[in-house]
Amino acid sequence: GAVVSQHPSRVICKSGTSVKIECRSLDFQATTMFWYRQFPKQSLMLMATSNEGSKATYEQGVEKDKFLINHASLTLSTLTVTSAHPEDSSFYICSAREGGQLETQYFGPGTRLLVL
Amino acid sequence: GQNIDQPTEMTATEGAIVQINCTYQTSGFNGLFWYQQHAGEAPTFLSYNVLDGLEEKGRFSSFLSRSKGYSYLLLKELQMKDSASYLCAVMDSNYQLIWGAGTKLIIKP
Repeated sequence: GAVVSQHPSRVICKSGTSVKIECRSLDFQATTMFWYRQFPKQSLMLMATSNEGSKATYEQGVEKDKFLINHASLTLSTLTVTSAHPEDSSFYICSAREGGQLETQYFGPGTRLLVL
Repeated sequence: GQNIDQPTEMTATEGAIVQINCTYQTSGFNGLFWYQQHAGEAPTFLSYNVLDGLEEKGRFSSFLSRSKGYSYLLLKELQMKDSASYLCAVMDSNYQLIWGAGTKLIIKP
């Protein structure tokens, strides 16, 4: 099956620093990538949807200037958490969708962010 | 608004059968998904239903009734490794996934 990777898998940073998370589709071209956030014991919350070569569409309540998303190629999307604060500590998961397969999303393994 | 409801937590015994229900109200419908998520890991795909009826895949089966806005995931011959959260998600008219809060399944020996 299709594989999506995320890097890093775990990151600890100081408050005020920026953290970049990469999401890669390894064996298919991901025209659309999704970024989710999941707090402990809660379900996934969609943060934004990004289509290759265009600006990301952010969900209501998600600050686009704080969570910068870039989807510059068909195999790579990045999420940068700028000026991270302890409340940004969470599990960030990306998923990717290939071309016309609108019903299928392949999930990355997730990135656990801890902001001290 | 869009809404997915599923029980918060269920407990079952190893070797038994458990049914996890999911009801939904969404703007449009392009299929219902069940995912399994172990603690600290990303969700893994279990099943996809877009037509009414039962889809069987090994020990796991998923049922859908579109007229009732209802689905269930049936797990047979439960094993300890089945202890996880089970997420119900509906794909709406924009092909976006609307997620339920998940059902934590606890398997006891």
